[in-house]
Amino acid sequence: AQSVAQPEDQVNVAEGNPLTVKCTYSVSGNPYLFWYVQYPNRGLQFLLKYITGDNLVKGSYGFEAEFNKSQTSFHLKKPSALVSDSALYFCAVRDDGGATNKLIFGTGTLLAVQP
Amino acid sequence: KAGVTQTPRYLIKTRGQQVTLSCSPISGHRSVSWYQQTPGQGLQFLFEYFSETQRNKGNFPGRFSGRQFSNSRSEMNVSTLELGDSALYLCASSLSRETGELFFGEGSRLTVL
Repeated sequence: AQSVAQPEDQVNVAEGNPLTVKCTYSVSGNPYLFWYVQYPNRGLQFLLKYITGDNLVKGSYGFEAEFNKSQTSFHLKKPSALVSDSALYFCAVRDDGGATNKLIFGTGTLLAVQP
Repeated sequence: KAGVTQTPRYLIKTRGQQVTLSCSPISGHRSVSWYQQTPGQGLQFLFEYFSETQRNKGNFPGRFSGRQFSNSRSEMNVSTLELGDSALYLCASSLSRETGELFFGEGSRLTVL
C-alpha cells in the first residue's frame, strides 16, 4: 500500500532563513507526490506535484520540492522563509498509481516562522 | 473562476441525528472527493465521485454515504451521528485524473454533541 511519512511534527525557522519540511514515501510503481498547505480553519491549498520529469519541482509561493528516488524522499523547500508561511503542511501520494484521485496524506508538519 | 464551495461551513448536531453536507466543485471539474479531518486520525479519504459514479470508497462505515448529481455537485450524508464523527469535512474537485492535483473547499466543520 502507498504511504507517506512526515517525521517532524513541527519545524521552527527564523524569517529569512531557508526552510525544509521532510517527507518520505513508500509506493509500488511510479509515485505521484503532492504538497498541500493548510492555514487555520481553512481548506487545503495545492502547492506542487511530482508525477514525472525533473527531480526539482517548482510550485506556488516560492516553494519547491526535490524528488529523490534513491532515498524515497520528497522534501519541501524554500530559500527564504516568511512569517506568512507559518501553517500546516501535508505531503500526499496518489493511492493507486493514478487510477483515481484518492490521496493518502501524511500526518502534517506545523511550520512556525519566527520574525 | 469560483473555487470549491461547501455548505454549511459550521453545524452542530446531537448524537443519533443525521447530516447532509453539500459541495459545488469548480466549474468544469467532474471529479469530487470527500475527506474527513480530525486531530487524532488526520486526513482520511471518504469517497470519490466522477460523472455521478462512485469511483472509490474509503474505510468508513455504511453510515457515511454520498452522491453526485449531473451538474457535478455532490452531497455526503452521515446518519445516526456519533460523537466521533465530529470533524472537518473537506470536499475537493479535480479536472481529471491525469492532472492530479485536487482543489479543496474551506470545509464543513461538524460538531456532534
